[in-house]
Amino acid sequence: EAQVTQNPRYLITVTGKKLTVTCSQNMNHEYMSWYRQDPGLGLRQIYYSMNVEVTDKGDVPEGYKVSRKEKRNFPLILESPSPNQTSLYFCASSSGTSGTETQYFGPGTRLLVL
Amino acid sequence: AQKITQTQPGMFVQEKEAVTLDCTYDTSDQSYGLFWYKQPSSGEMIFLIYQGSYDEQNATEGRYSLNFQKARKSANLVISASQLGDSAMYFCAMREGPDSWGNEKLTFGTGTRLTIIP
Repeated sequence: EAQVTQNPRYLITVTGKKLTVTCSQNMNHEYMSWYRQDPGLGLRQIYYSMNVEVTDKGDVPEGYKVSRKEKRNFPLILESPSPNQTSLYFCASSSGTSGTETQYFGPGTRLLVL
Repeated sequence: AQKITQTQPGMFVQEKEAVTLDCTYDTSDQSYGLFWYKQPSSGEMIFLIYQGSYDEQNATEGRYSLNFQKARKSANLVISASQLGDSAMYFCAMREGPDSWGNEKLTFGTGTRLTIIP
C-alpha cells in the first residue's frame, strides 16, 4: 500500500530536549516536505527536499533541521524545542516536479512542548 | 499579501444540499496548480481534487467539482448532495513552480470548517 508514515504520532516533551520526527514514504517519490498546522494559520511549509541531499527552507524553517540521506526518509529535527513549536506536523511526498502531482500526506504528529 | 485566501472560517449546511467553499489565490506564475484537501477530525489530510492552470475544463471527482475562474483567480470547491461524513476542515492549496532551479512551493489557505446538519 502506497503511504507516508510518521513516527511518533503523539509526543510530549520538555523545552530544550532534542527530538526527531521520522518520515518515510514507499512510493519512490523525489519531493518531500514538512508542514506545521496551527489554528487559524492553516498549513505552513517548514522545509522541503527535491531529491537526496537537496533540501531548502520553506516559510517557517527557524528552529528546525532536516536531512535527506535516502530517498525514502526525510526526518524533522528539533535541536532545542520550545513551546511555540507545539503544533501538528505533517510530512508529505510527491512524485515529481511537473507541478501537477498531488502530495501524499502522512497521518500527522501532534507535538506538545512543555 | 496572502497567496491563498479562504474567507469562510466555518459553514453549516443542511444534509443533501450542495455547498460551495470559496478560495481565491494570488500568483504571478503562468503555470500553477490548485488543490483541495479534506481534514476530518481524525487529523489526516485527504486529497480531493486538482486543477491545473492550463486545464480548460473544470476538474470533477465524484461529488466534488472545482469551479475554476482564472481571470478572477478563484478556485471554489463545490460539493454536491452533502453528507454527514463531509463534516471536516477543508483546505485550498496552490502549487507554484518549478522555477528555473527546480524549486516548487505549496501554499495552503487557513481552511474552512464545514459542518453538515442532519
